[in-house]
Amino acid sequence: EVQLVESGGGLVQPGGSLRLSCAASGFTFSSYSMNWVRQAPGKGLEWVSYISSSSSTIYYADSVKGRFTISRDNAKNSLYLQMNSLRAEDTAVYYCAREGAAAYFYYMDVWGKGTTVTVSS
Amino acid sequence: DIQMTQSPSSLSASVGDRVTITCRASQSISSYVNWYQQKPGKAPKLLIYAASSLQSGVPSRFSGSGSGTDFTLTISSLQPEDFATYYCQQSYSTLYSFGQGTKLEIK
Repeated sequence: EVQLVESGGGLVQPGGSLRLSCAASGFTFSSYSMNWVRQAPGKGLEWVSYISSSSSTIYYADSVKGRFTISRDNAKNSLYLQMNSLRAEDTAVYYCAREGAAAYFYYMDVWGKGTTVTVSS
Repeated sequence: DIQMTQSPSSLSASVGDRVTITCRASQSISSYVNWYQQKPGKAPKLLIYAASSLQSGVPSRFSGSGSGTDFTLTISSLQPEDFATYYCQQSYSTLYSFGQGTKLEIK
């Protein structure tokens, strides 16, 4: 079964750091680009970051650029999101999502259940 | 950055109704639009990619159309399990973005 399982969420004070992990199984992780997407309480989806299969290409949303770092370990079938200088507005459920592709069209076809990050004093 | 604007923000409909949700991009994005369904407390689920291609396993009552700046998601005959929030997403730009969502509620 194709599966993504996020972990590492929790309560952190403003200005603090947290590292999220996403464990992949059931598919060849090293062949796929990956994304992080978040959803603040009662709000819509917000794309956060992208990493290519070989880690050679990385993108960030403006809202997290310079504070968050995406990475992956293909040997461990794992995706990470290092979050520094956290703010209240980073409070959200964080999802990892696999990027599927058909020709030059890209989409997020497999999602984890999410991990909750709460930034509060 | 590319902005995606959905309309309506919410919609009330009955089982069996035909429903259309619209998504407009702030610039032309060819057919680089995907549609997702999300139920409360659950992860999003891919329905449509490349504007009109049905994801494997998704019922054929879901369809997508459009190109350029205007896109639609249509549900031909609403089923009870279709009441959820729907999001469009563009993959034209390397900085992806989602619409604000359309909440489909039971009338």
